[in-house]
Formats: sequence, structure tokens, C-alpha cells
Amino acid sequence: EAQVTQNPRYLITVTGKKLTVTCSQNMNHEYMSWYRQDPGLGLRQIYYSMNVEVTDKGDVPEGYKVSRKEKRNFPLILESPSPNQTSLYFCASSLVVPLNTEAFFGQGTRLTVV
Amino acid sequence: AQKVTQAQTEISVVEKEDVTLDCVYETRDTTYYLFWYKQPPSGELVFLIRRNSFDEQNEISGRYSWNFQKSTSSFNFTITASQVVDSAVYFCALSGYSTLTFGKGTMLLVSP
Repeated sequence: EAQVTQNPRYLITVTGKKLTVTCSQNMNHEYMSWYRQDPGLGLRQIYYSMNVEVTDKGDVPEGYKVSRKEKRNFPLILESPSPNQTSLYFCASSLVVPLNTEAFFGQGTRLTVV
Repeated sequence: AQKVTQAQTEISVVEKEDVTLDCVYETRDTTYYLFWYKQPPSGELVFLIRRNSFDEQNEISGRYSWNFQKSTSSFNFTITASQVVDSAVYFCALSGYSTLTFGKGTMLLVSP
């Protein structure tokens, strides 16, 4: 089954404790990205990757890191999480760039930083 | 820079009413794509439709229809005879070459 898999689905952590949210897709998609969803703000892009070893900042990259060492994986790293990073996170993938096909989204990761 | 505006934050209707969700976009690109996604209470994002900038034909899929008007930079979504299962947050999105920009979403509440 074609899918984007995020883990974990739910995470509660403490301020400053490094964490990684994993994202994997099995569709051989070139493009992957991370979004955060906050009430009243919609989805905002954090980082994206057009191909392996190519990543770029989205609209809200501060406090996050990503890497794209293999085509299928695109982990999101929070080196020192803070409470303002409490949010619902989505990983997405698309077949190619330019983005002329729909994005496939993971199930979401609800992160709480206390 | 791209921008998507969904001016309606929340809409409440009674079952069987028709409802239109508005989407207005801004872009300098001549080629672009517009999308609608649905986010039900369970939280996942479900793709509904894609439309490219060269195709202004309206589309109908069952109770759903979309009206794309390039002259007004709008891509509105109408649900005919709404049902309780239509209750969700609906997002309009605009693609550039390498970024997908979302509106803030419209929450639709359909009551029995």
C-alpha cells in the first residue's frame, strides 16, 4: 500500500531534550516536506527536500533540522525543543518537482513540549 | 510570494443545506496548481481535487463541485446537500515550483 509513515504518532517531551520524528514513504517520490499545523494558522511548511541531499527552508524553519540521506526517509529533528514547538506535525511526499500532483500526507505526529 | 486566503473560519449548516467554501489565491506564476484537502476529526489529510491554471472548467464529483475563476483568482468548493460526515476542516492549497502553500482552513460543522 502506498503510504507515508510517521513515527511516533504522539509524543510528550520536556524542554531541551532532543527528539527525532521519523518519516518514510514507499512511493519513490522525489519531494518530501514537513509541515506544522497550529489552530488558526493552517499548515505551515518547515523544511522541504527536492531530492536526496537537497533540502531547503520553508516558512518556519527555526528550531528544526532535517536530513535526506536516502530517498525514502526524511526525519525531522528538534535539537532543543521548546514549548512553542508544541504542535501537530505532518510529513508529506510528492512524486516530482514542480509540484503538479497531489501531496501524500502521513498520519500526523502530535508533539507536546512541557 | 504565494498566498492563499480562506476568509471563512467556521461555517455551520444543517444537514441537506448547500454550502460553499471560498478560496482566493495570489501568485505571480503563470503555471500553478490548486488543491483542496479535507481534514476530518480523525486528523488525517485527504486529497479532494487538483486543478491546473490552464483548465478553468468547473468540476463535479458527486455532491462536490469546484468553481475555478482565474479572473478573480478564486477556487471555490461547494458541497450540495451536506451531510454530517462532511464535518471537517477544509484546506485550499496552491503549489509553486517547490512549495505548497495552504490557507488557514475552514471548519465546516454539519448538524443533523
